[in-house]
Amino acid sequence: EPEVTQTPSHQVTQMGQEVILRCVPISNHLYFYWYRQILGQKVEFLVSFYNNEISEKSEIFDDQFSVERPDGSNFTLKIRSTKLEDSAMYFCASLLAGGPVTGELFFGEGSRLTVL
Amino acid sequence: TQLLEQSPQFLSIQEGENLTVYCNSSSVFSSLQWYRQEPGEGPVLLVTVVTGGEVKKLKRLTFQFGDARKDSSLHITAAQPGDTGLYLCAGGVSWDNLFFGTGTRLTVIP
Repeated sequence: EPEVTQTPSHQVTQMGQEVILRCVPISNHLYFYWYRQILGQKVEFLVSFYNNEISEKSEIFDDQFSVERPDGSNFTLKIRSTKLEDSAMYFCASLLAGGPVTGELFFGEGSRLTVL
Repeated sequence: TQLLEQSPQFLSIQEGENLTVYCNSSSVFSSLQWYRQEPGEGPVLLVTVVTGGEVKKLKRLTFQFGDARKDSSLHITAAQPGDTGLYLCAGGVSWDNLFFGTGTRLTVIP
């Protein structure tokens, strides 16, 4: 069964360092998303990406964050200068078509980021 | 920012009991989805409801979307230990964004 894969599963970094989280969405999917979940809190939308550009982003997704799809398969989230409050589980998700509101969003297993 | 409150936050029941989880908001949603999340994994979609008053059944799980499309419920009949997990509702507003609820952590004791 096709699945969304994420690497690394866990990353520990020092505050101020750059972090890149990688995702390989399901191959024929067209829409890509990053969500995050701070421990014990709800899943929060960060950004959506379609046709090689950001289609929507939340207020969490500030200038420290960026996304790209460099080679047609990987979908990356970069945090330029990590802060303690960036510690969370980051989930990548992909969708074939139609938007997550009515379509089926497939989530990866997440990358846990710990900022010290 | 849309807010989806789920209740109860935690629920621990015996195998075979019935339960209902609620998802409430003051906002109107174009659709509402229910997900289940296991520890260390991402959420997995259970169902999408789009019409006010809609009821969908998935084996022992019954999902209902409120008439005003502001709330939803998940009812589980004869709960089993395999139902244990975090249940999340998520409301759709724009075509491209889901707002997740606060979650209900269910434990079914054998």
